[in-house]
Amino acid sequence: DQQVKQNSPSLSVQEGRISILNCDYTNSMFDYFLWYKKYPAEGPTFLISISSIKDKNEDGRFTVFLNKSAKHLSLHIVPSQPGDSAVYFCAASTTDSWGKLQFGAGTQVVVTP
Amino acid sequence: NAGVTQTPKFQVLKTGQSMTLQCAQDMNHEYMSWYRQDPGMGLRLIHYSVGAGITDQGEVPNGYNVSRSTTEDFPLRLLSAAPSQTSVYFCASRSLASRVSQETQYFGPGTRLLVL
Repeated sequence: DQQVKQNSPSLSVQEGRISILNCDYTNSMFDYFLWYKKYPAEGPTFLISISSIKDKNEDGRFTVFLNKSAKHLSLHIVPSQPGDSAVYFCAASTTDSWGKLQFGAGTQVVVTP
Repeated sequence: NAGVTQTPKFQVLKTGQSMTLQCAQDMNHEYMSWYRQDPGMGLRLIHYSVGAGITDQGEVPNGYNVSRSTTEDFPLRLLSAAPSQTSVYFCASRSLASRVSQETQYFGPGTRLLVL
């Protein structure tokens, strides 16, 4: 039973436009959320995170929004660049779990010129 | 500073064979873990360790063994490979110094395993 869900397996966006990736979770105990980026033949790399005490966190072109009541978070990439083409994983953890991460299935983003 | 290294990069096994996937990190991280990535499933935690001599099961531990005799190494053993274990395996490590250190969970490049 997946507790973290990314329902869009793929997303195509034009260079310069906004990419919006969505993630839903079912476990109300999750209190820390992360986004990872993965290129082919490489391991995932950390992108941005948000604690449950916040509803927004921004880092350059990347912003993560958290809606706790809806158990939903989203990642906005503005503006999208060709180098953003990758698989993006949403992940979540609880305070008492040693930081064990529950991952979503991932969303493949393709940024076209 | 090599980060997290994994060997081999690719392996083909026959059903019933055993093998060990190697993982090493040079960052003195207490926490190490193994994930498998399957299409449509994301990454799922197999086993993890919070220090030398301490291991515990993750979400999908069946068919896998681990040990942690040193801080640096965390090998994953397949005792009797099955086709269902065909996957890409990632090792990761991080410091337990603070909760924020989850951001700095470093992943290795992965081992692609095919079981025939």
